[in-house]
Parts: sequence; C-alpha cells; structure tokens
Amino acid sequence: EDQVTQSPEALRLQEGESSSLNCSYTVSGLRGLFWYRQDPGKGPEFLFTLYSAGEEKEKERLKATLTKKESFLHITAPKPEDSATYLCAVLYSGGGADGLTFGKGTHLIIQP
Amino acid sequence: DVKVTQSSRYLVKRTGEKVFLECVQDMDHENMFWYRQDPGLGLRLIYFSYDVKMKEKGDIPEGYSVSREKKERFSLILESASTNQTSMYLCASGFSGSYEQYFGPGTRLTVT
Repeated sequence: EDQVTQSPEALRLQEGESSSLNCSYTVSGLRGLFWYRQDPGKGPEFLFTLYSAGEEKEKERLKATLTKKESFLHITAPKPEDSATYLCAVLYSGGGADGLTFGKGTHLIIQP
Repeated sequence: DVKVTQSSRYLVKRTGEKVFLECVQDMDHENMFWYRQDPGLGLRLIYFSYDVKMKEKGDIPEGYSVSREKKERFSLILESASTNQTSMYLCASGFSGSYEQYFGPGTRLTVT
C-alpha cells in the first residue's frame, strides 16, 4: 500500500480554469509535507512545506493546504507556464531520518 | 540561490562497469541525498548523509554505495552496473532540521 497517494494522475485544464490537486497520506507522526514542481528532464523544484493541520501557504497562483490526512494544491487561474508534474512528499517519524517519501505525482497540462 | 550540480546530465555505461555519480552543493548543507526516479514508481531514496563520512541507507540501497569525504560533495557508486539500474538519478541537499531539500538537475543513466 502506498504511503503517499496523489490524484489525479493527470489533469488537463484550460487557461484560467482553476482546480485542485490532492495528496493523501497514511503515515503516522507527520513531521512535514512538501510540494515540488518538476519540469520535464529537470530536478524537482521546491514549492512549499506544511507542518501542521490547518496550515496554508501561497505562492503566486498556487495555494497549499493541509489536513490530518491530506493536502491540496489549489491552482487559481492557471497559465500555460504552470504546466508541470507536481510532486507531494512526506517526512514522518519512523521514516528514514530526513529522507522524503514521495507520491507518484500529478501531471498537469494547461492549454492556452 | 541554492545550487546543486551533478557531474553528468546523460551517461551510458555497460553492464558490469563501476559507475560514479557526483553531486556538489554550494550552500553548506549538512544533509545530502541520492534518489532514483522511475516511471510509475516515483522518486525513491537510495542513501543519505547527514555529515561528512556519515551515511544511512534509504529504501533501495541494494547495488549502490556512497561516499562523502567533503561536506559539499556526495558520490553515488554503482559497484557493478546492471540494466535494472537504468534510471534518472537525482541528488538533493538541505540543512539539518529544516527538512526542505533542494534538487540537482539529475543524471539520466542508461546501462546496456
């Protein structure tokens, strides 16, 4: 059973069409939840860290929220340059010290 | 800006060869990590290091070893490359206790 599950696997939106990506996790003792953006052929780029339920972070058109069992990445009025794979990862007690456990990602395409 | 560099973007090796992947960071980070990324499997942690000469196994250490002789440099070694080690290899670094990790551009390794 995957410890971190992202949905949907792929999402195609029109420019300006807002939506949300989901990251659910089953680990106990969450120490942090992380969102990354990855462009094709490149390493992941850090976006946000969330530490406790109720916390929210924003950056431009992106807003990340956290509950006790899942996180959402809300994308408001997206532009084509927001197209990328968005990765969620968790750090938890009992995990490999400071190593992150990643979900498989959501591949987002924004059509002009 | 944090800079994590990896020695090669693309590498082609033959089965049985010894392979060295190098990673250098310029932010004086204590922690360094090696992941591999495969379609359908996501990113998986191979090894990490929280100090010079210190190392810890991640989720999939079999067939790999690491070396950290200097704080800024972390090497991944494939002692005898096999075709199932064909993958994208990603190095990351971060400050101890902050949990945020910054990734390099990746090395796409093909073993034939």
